[in-house]
Amino acid sequence: DIQMTQSPSSLSASVGDRVTITCRASQSISSYLNWYQQKPGKAPKVLIYAASSLQSGVPSRFSGSGSGTDFTLTLSSLQPEDFATYYCQQSITTPYTFGQGTKLEIK
Amino acid sequence: QVQLVESGGGLVKPGGSLRLSCAASGFTFSDYYVTWIRQAPGKGLEWVSYISGSGMNIYYADSVRGRFTISRDNAKNSLYLQMNSLRAEDTAVYYCARVFRSGIDYYYMDVWGKGTTVTVSS
Repeated sequence: DIQMTQSPSSLSASVGDRVTITCRASQSISSYLNWYQQKPGKAPKVLIYAASSLQSGVPSRFSGSGSGTDFTLTLSSLQPEDFATYYCQQSITTPYTFGQGTKLEIK
Repeated sequence: QVQLVESGGGLVKPGGSLRLSCAASGFTFSDYYVTWIRQAPGKGLEWVSYISGSGMNIYYADSVRGRFTISRDNAKNSLYLQMNSLRAEDTAVYYCARVFRSGIDYYYMDVWGKGTTVTVSS
């Protein structure tokens, strides 16, 4: 199975900050990488697919980059509603494994 | 609107069985792969199983293979997960999700249900 490792596991930031979350795959996954946001008690929501494509309706302050084994999710200017847990997920091969999550908290 | 609604969760003893359902609406159900994903309390997401639109293509995570069976009834716009030989480690919120295909073969889960809770405990 492909292992997905996110860093950091948790992060404190302030409204207006620029934040970057990293996801590393245990082998090359080309651009088959998705990012999800999950708020407490809610289902996940897709933000980015194919490493850098913004899902319809998602604010443009979210962006994704990378290919191969290293990927990043960037939030350009944090808003109060962005404090949540973020997961990466590979979709190149089954099982479609997720990273362990990055919890973004208010400083 | 496009919607998925899970049901069937509950408390079950180790070794017991449970059948989860997921009712789809607002889209042509048979056109899409659908998947089950679970989340143990305080933990991350774990992909469990998927099934193709026709039901011919099925895959399971190693952790559930041989114990869980995914199926669908396109006439009823419904997805199912039959869970047998349940273990404490199967305790989780179970989400059904639609798998969207973008371009040639980029897949992601674009519609999720709210989840149903399964607790395995004596």
